[in-house]
Amino acid sequence: NAGVTQTPKFRVLKTGQSMTLLCAQDMNHEYMYWYRQDPGMGLRLIHYSVGEGTTAKGEVPDGYNVSRLKKQNFLLGLESAAPSQTSVYFCASSYRPGKDESYGYTFGSGTRLTVV
Amino acid sequence: RKEVEQDPGPFNVPEGATVAFNCTYSNSASQSFFWYRQDCRKEPKLLMSVYSSGNEDGRFTAQLNRASQYISLLIRDSKLSDSATYLCVVNMGGEDGGFKTIFGAGTRLFVKA
Repeated sequence: NAGVTQTPKFRVLKTGQSMTLLCAQDMNHEYMYWYRQDPGMGLRLIHYSVGEGTTAKGEVPDGYNVSRLKKQNFLLGLESAAPSQTSVYFCASSYRPGKDESYGYTFGSGTRLTVV
Repeated sequence: RKEVEQDPGPFNVPEGATVAFNCTYSNSASQSFFWYRQDCRKEPKLLMSVYSSGNEDGRFTAQLNRASQYISLLIRDSKLSDSATYLCVVNMGGEDGGFKTIFGAGTRLFVKA
């Protein structure tokens, strides 16, 4: 029972490089999310998806793109990395809020990204 | 004013102590509430939902005060393994009729032997 799996776990990028973070869940959750977490700040929502083929902007979407071609996968792309994108990135999934709130979110183990 | 506010701590308590955290939220229309636990360099994990009538899970008790717009988490008989950051999470209706989930920045707890 894997839950939410994120790859890679660590990455160092040079400014201007691109990369894709992968997220996969096996819980048949409709909703998926990408968050970033920086010291002293709460988790901030980058983008989210309410179902296969749909995406929406969160609180801090600039510099990121996402795709959800399959229900179980949610990809986060950085087209031209900047030092301000140095952070820990978490993917999460959940049932539709209101459907069964008690389960909350299930998070992946995170990706530590450093942009130099 | 932040939508969800927590005292960052740290709270330093001895083993066996009782410790309580509060979390305030600004949107009176907030719908559901949770406490998550996050260990150092790990992902957040759901600790418990917070119900209007209050709920208890072993040594942990969560309460909601809608009138004053805060939720609380009480930990009794603290263990060393309770050392972590505790995140308050609030779900509220979004501007587009959807939903919005706000995570607090967390309260750090250190339990010492």
